[in-house]
Amino acid sequence: AQTVTQSQPEMSVQEAETVTLSCTYDTSESDYYLFWYKQPPSRQMILVIRQEAYKQQNATENRFSVNFQKAAKSFSLKISDSQLGDAAMYFCAYRSDSSGTYKYIFGTGTRLKVLA
Amino acid sequence: KAGVTQTPRYLIKTRGQQVTLSCSPISGHRSVSWYQQTPGQGLQFLFEYFSETQRNKGNFPGRFSGRQFSNSRSEMNVSTLELGDSALYLCASSLQGPNTEAFFGQGTRLTVV
Repeated sequence: AQTVTQSQPEMSVQEAETVTLSCTYDTSESDYYLFWYKQPPSRQMILVIRQEAYKQQNATENRFSVNFQKAAKSFSLKISDSQLGDAAMYFCAYRSDSSGTYKYIFGTGTRLKVLA
Repeated sequence: KAGVTQTPRYLIKTRGQQVTLSCSPISGHRSVSWYQQTPGQGLQFLFEYFSETQRNKGNFPGRFSGRQFSNSRSEMNVSTLELGDSALYLCASSLQGPNTEAFFGQGTRLTVV
C-alpha cells in the first residue's frame, strides 16, 4: 500500500523569505502523480502544484516549485517570496496512475505560518 | 464555471441518527470522491464514484455508504451515527483521464452529540 509522510507538523517563515516543506512517499508503482494542496481556514482544498512521476523536470507554478527525487521518493515544496496569504495547511498527496480510480492518499499536513 | 458544491455546510446530529450529505461536482466531471478529515486521522478516503458506479472504497464500516446519480451528483449517507463520526467531509470531483486533478468543495462539518 502507498503511504505519504509529512514530518513537519508546523513551519514558520518570515514574509518575503523562502520556505521548503518536506514530503516523502512509499510506493512500488512506477506511474503516479504527486500533488501539493493548500487548505486555508476557509477549509477548501486548493491545488498548488502537480508533478507527473514520468517527468524528470521539476514542476513550477509562479512562486511555488517542487524538488522531485523519484529514486529517493521525495517531493518537497518550495515557496519563494512568502506572502501572508500563503498561511495555511499544506498537504502532500499521491495518486496512482494504474489503479483505474482517482483515490488520493494524503499526508498529515504541515501548518505554515507566515510572520509579518 | 461553478465549483464543487457541498450541502449543507454544517450539521449537528445526535448519536444513533443518520445523515445524508450532498455533493454537486463541476459540470462535466464524472468522478466524485469523498474524504473524511479529522484532527487525529487526517484525510481518509471514503469512496469514489464514476458514472453511477462505485470504483473504489476506503476502509470504513458499512454504516458509510454513497451513491451517484445520472447527473453525477453524489450523496453519502452515514447511519447509526457515533461520536467519532464528527468530522469535516470533503467531496472532490475530477475529469477522467491522465494529468487531471481533484477539485474540492468546502466540505460539510458534521458534529455528532
